[in-house]
This record gives sequence, C-alpha cells and structure tokens, in this order.
Amino acid sequence: LAKTTQPISMDSYEGQEVNITCSHNNIATNDYITWYQQFPSQGPRFIIQGYKTKVTNEVASLFIPADRKSSTLSLPRVSLSDTAVYYCLVGGGGNQGGKLIFGQGTELSVKP
Amino acid sequence: GAGVSQSPSNKVTEKGKDVELRCDPISGHTALYWYRQSLGQGLEFLIYFQGNSAPDKSGLPSDRFSAERTGGSVSTLTIQRTQQEDSAVYLCASSGRVSSYEQYFGPGTRLTVT
Repeated sequence: LAKTTQPISMDSYEGQEVNITCSHNNIATNDYITWYQQFPSQGPRFIIQGYKTKVTNEVASLFIPADRKSSTLSLPRVSLSDTAVYYCLVGGGGNQGGKLIFGQGTELSVKP
Repeated sequence: GAGVSQSPSNKVTEKGKDVELRCDPISGHTALYWYRQSLGQGLEFLIYFQGNSAPDKSGLPSDRFSAERTGGSVSTLTIQRTQQEDSAVYLCASSGRVSSYEQYFGPGTRLTVT
C-alpha cells in the first residue's frame, strides 16, 4: 500500500475554503485516491475519489497533479459542522480486496 | 436511497456470552466489509465478502469470530464467548465495485462486554 502523509491538524474559520494536501510519492499505476471524513463516535463517510486531474461533487473537489504524487482535498465555504478528521487513502484499484487502512488523518477544526 | 443499516445500535453483554451483529448493505452492492474501531483507535479490517467468492477472513482476530452473508445481501457477524477486549464499535460497509475504496458505512454497533 502506498504510504500517505498529511498534516496532523488544521484550523479554519466558517466560510473559508479549506485545502488539505496529501503526499503519496509511491502511488502505483492502478491506485485511486480516496478521501473520507469521520466525526467522533461515528463511522467514516466517503467524500470523494479520483484517479487524475480534477473531480468535483456536491461536497468537495479533489485536485490531482499529472505526476499523481500528491492530491488536494478542497472544501468550499466550510461550516462548524465540517469539524472532523479527514483521511487520505491510496489504493483500491487492483487485487488488494478494498481493505481500508486509515493513517493518522488531518484533524480539521472550524471556528466561528 | 437507503443506506447501510446495522442492528442493534448498542449491545451490552456479559463476558462469555455469544452475540450476533447484523448488517443490511445498500441494495445491489456486491461487496460487504466488516471493520471494528476501538475508542480512539484506527479502523481494523475484519472480513470481506465479494459476490459468491470465498470471503477474505484474514482480519478476524480469533476463531471466536465468524461471519456469513446470506443470499448475497444481509450479513451477520457472530462473536462467541465474548471477552472484554471485544468491546468496540463494529462497522459494516458496502461497495458497488470490486476491491474499491469507495465504501459506504453503516452507523455501527457499539458492543460493550462487561
């Protein structure tokens, strides 16, 4: 599995755009980049997944440069309810069985 | 549409008793995963079902743990002779794609073994 590195914590204010970058230098050709959100005492929630360039859905955007060695999750106009831990995962495109292994994640704190 | 559902939401049991946890995946999802998460800990993979293939049981911590999936839909995780270290939140996830990291989680079952 490709190792990922992301900031341990980030602070933001309501209404701001938040960008969380994840490094994954050893990404394999068939790996996808996936982001999850998790609130305390709740299960993880799938946010977005991409392979290359840019993916956008109703929740977030995911920017992936051509070399795919990093990716940036962009949350537009965050609110207090976006305070959570965000996990970047790389893999899931081959015969790995889809087993999710979460790293430390980025603890995002949104302040009023 | 309906998401993944799990029951019960909470279960308190005495050490040594057996428990059954149920998961109803999203309709049409062929992949089903069981994980558990202890307080403040990361996600721990338990078992993976994909269609009619033999399940990947590599994450089951002991032979007290077993799971089945009937008719390619509902799954039951059974823990026999529960121990205090089994206390955790047990999470079920389903996916519409093989070996995909795009998984949708249920609310979990919080198991407490006293």
